[in-house]
Amino acid sequence: SAVISQKPSRDICQRGTSLTIQCQVDSQVTMMFWYRQQPGQSLTLIATANQGSEATYESGFVIDKFPISRPNLTFSTLTVSNMSPEDSSIYLCSGRGQTNTEAFFGQGTRLTVV
Amino acid sequence: DAKTTQPTSMDCAEGRAANLPCNHSTISGNEYVYWYRQIHSQGPQYIIHGLKNNETNEMASLIITEDRKSSTLILPHATLRDTAVYYCIVRVPYNAGNMLTFGGGTRLMVKP
Repeated sequence: SAVISQKPSRDICQRGTSLTIQCQVDSQVTMMFWYRQQPGQSLTLIATANQGSEATYESGFVIDKFPISRPNLTFSTLTVSNMSPEDSSIYLCSGRGQTNTEAFFGQGTRLTVV
Repeated sequence: DAKTTQPTSMDCAEGRAANLPCNHSTISGNEYVYWYRQIHSQGPQYIIHGLKNNETNEMASLIITEDRKSSTLILPHATLRDTAVYYCIVRVPYNAGNMLTFGGGTRLMVKP
């Protein structure tokens, strides 16, 4: 299975600022996803990162708040914009290759907004 | 994707088998049962999946009932490192989105 690296692993940010999280996969993947995990909760899908086109967002998530890029098959970024304390969560990147049915995950980015 | 129901939490003694149940009574014919786990402060990790036959790998065994309405993940000799939240997910492997929909999962605590 592929290995996903996320940067940063954690950050503490001031409200009103933005943070960009990077996700690098060590092999090409067909699908990449971004999830949010709020404290003590399960994972919630934010969006599917589409290569070369706009991401597909789930209900409750919008591009202005969570812009996503995916310039190639191994890299994606998620930006958390104009942050508030409610954005404090773990953000996880996930990928799936073409020949395997299971998904794999990065270690997550633990974001605290103060 | 079909919904699943899992107990919120379970305890298991170290060295004993951990049997984690999952109900998926609305599973459709082309949906597989997947299990993932999330150890504290880590991303979810794939464990095993199956359609209707029982499956075994180096991590666990998956037992699916004949009517496919429920399944059990078995960790044959649980260790303290198996303490995690275990998620049972049913999905079509190659559906358009290929995303995973996570429920609440079962928090397994392995005790010495």
